[in-house]
Parts: sequence; C-alpha cells; structure tokens
Amino acid sequence: KAGVTQTPRYLIKTRGQQVTLSCSPISGHRSVSWYQQTPGQGLQFLFEYFSETQRNKGNFPGRFSGRQFSNSRSEMNVSTLELGDSALYLCASSLASYGELFFGEGSRLTVL
Amino acid sequence: DAKTTQPTSMDCAEGRAANLPCNHSTISGNEYVYWYRQIHSQGPQYIIHGLKNNETNEMASLIITEDRKSSTLILPHATLRDTAVYYCIARSRGGYNAGKSTFGDGTTLTVKP
Repeated sequence: KAGVTQTPRYLIKTRGQQVTLSCSPISGHRSVSWYQQTPGQGLQFLFEYFSETQRNKGNFPGRFSGRQFSNSRSEMNVSTLELGDSALYLCASSLASYGELFFGEGSRLTVL
Repeated sequence: DAKTTQPTSMDCAEGRAANLPCNHSTISGNEYVYWYRQIHSQGPQYIIHGLKNNETNEMASLIITEDRKSSTLILPHATLRDTAVYYCIARSRGGYNAGKSTFGDGTTLTVKP
C-alpha cells in the first residue's frame, strides 16, 4: 500500500512570503502529525490532527498553522517566512494518536 | 510526555551486536517506548516499540528494564546499512499528550567494516 506522500519535496521562498505544504497519509490512517527538523534543533513536534481536529500543538509561533480534511489529508502553512524557518518538514501518519508513526520523505524548505 | 536521553554517538563493528541505550526515567504508565531511525535526512523509519515486556521483531530487539526507566535497542548483527541516527521516544497512548511525540537528539550509530 502507498506510503505517506508529501508535496512539494523541495521549495525555495523568500522572507515574508508564505508557504503551504501538503501531506497525504496512508489510506485508513486518521492521525497526521507534523515535525520540523533543523540541524540545530533536531526533530521538533509542530502539531497533530485526528479526524480534522487539532489534538496537540508544539511550541511554535502562530505563523505555523495546519488543518486536516475529511479524507485525512493535511496541510500546514507558514506565513511571513523567516530565514530560521528553513528546514525539513516531516509529516507522519498513524492509525490512531498513539500508534506507530509512518513518516513521509519530507518537504525541504529554503528561505532566502 | 517523558523526556528521553541517549548518547550522542556510538560505533559498532560490522557483524557485531549494536546495543543502543535510552534513559526515560520520567516515563508514565501509559507511555510506550518507540524506536525509530533516520538515514540521510530521509523520513524516520519505525523499528520497534514496547510497553514493559521485551520485544523482538525482524529488525531488532527491545529490552525494557523492570522499572521502565530505561531501555536498550539491540541490532543483533549490525551491517553498514544500519549506520543512522536512532531515536528513542516515549509516546502516550492517551490523555492530553496523545499524538504528541518528543524526539531527543538521538544516537548516531556508525557501523564500521
């Protein structure tokens, strides 16, 4: 069965712009969580959605937001981009909020 | 969710067992221990998980101490392809932290020929 798909894989933006990243979970998975990975901070939890509801949120500013659709697909948005937002953004899906996480390959964002 | 502590790096000879320790002294009763690994900035890959009993699958074995404050991931016969960053996390099964996973810095395992 198909794995977690993230699009786009690579993108370059400039400071002040906004970006939307997409994640298609494994079929049947209802939980989608997002992580930011940078060399200095490692893997940091952004937020988790289950059945279209945000269940948990990490310590990120309000510029980071997300949503989940009825088909479990999820998007995250970062507004007013800063240089420090350059990172690999990883999406993971699981059957339930506590299950095994299946990660996508990530979207690598570069902010210039 | 419990904080986990792992050594920054470890080396292992090819063909030997790699034993990766993890400390999770503040783990709560409803938190499972999960292990993942990440190769070259790919998405992390699930390895194994457990609650309090030792677990084994085709990839690895997980030994959890009786007090659940620490665990060890064992790769029985390490190969060069096992070189990766290994993460140990505590993942809540329910409650207000359900769905939230806190990854530490992980252990960089280097398997040497």
